[in-house]
Amino acid sequence: EAGVAQSPRYKIIEKRQSVAFWCNPISGHATLYWYQQILGQGPKLLIQFQNNGVVDDSQLPKDRFSAERLKGVDSTLKIQPAKLEDSAVYLCASSLDGSGITDTQYFGPGTRLTVL
Amino acid sequence: AQSVAQPEDQVNVAEGNPLTVKCTYSVSGNPYLFWYVQYPNRGLQFLLKYITGDNLVKGSYGFEAEFNKSQTSFHLKKPSALVSDSALYFCAVSEDSNYQLIWGAGTKLIIKP
Repeated sequence: EAGVAQSPRYKIIEKRQSVAFWCNPISGHATLYWYQQILGQGPKLLIQFQNNGVVDDSQLPKDRFSAERLKGVDSTLKIQPAKLEDSAVYLCASSLDGSGITDTQYFGPGTRLTVL
Repeated sequence: AQSVAQPEDQVNVAEGNPLTVKCTYSVSGNPYLFWYVQYPNRGLQFLLKYITGDNLVKGSYGFEAEFNKSQTSFHLKKPSALVSDSALYFCAVSEDSNYQLIWGAGTKLIIKP
């Protein structure tokens, strides 16, 4: 079974530039999560999708971050414009149906973003 | 509000010795507890979870964790450490009324030959 795919793996940009990350979840997984992991910290949930609907985006900085999951499969996370404090690893995870906490999340390798 | 703490930034263990990585939590409802491992340049991998039932939970790669309700702890253990166990370990918690996972800051486990 193929895992969660993410691209690019690494990205370096200047502050105020834009950047986009892509995630392809495990086939058949209805729920998709985007996390931000700053060095030395645990992951922080940015947004959770159930199919192509948003379940929770309470911690997404909506003035600069946006995410979409068209057709309920792939997802993109965009930052525009980027700030220095956005430097982090962006993790994508998926789970079978997100019906409850018993539903295990599977993570992709992450995208390491450096903002200069 | 729910929270989770991993009191040790780093744990050093000699190969072949038992290891323990500590996790304590705070929730208002019933806790759901998870352990994940993160190897360098790789994503988080699920190790084990406690939802209900037996307090001793067995997981992947020979790891186990013990749920202790009175001490609000969920320590990760392994009887005999391997060098390949060296990685970053994360504890996460949620409560039965809120499915969002709250993550600890992680503990770096170093197993020395």
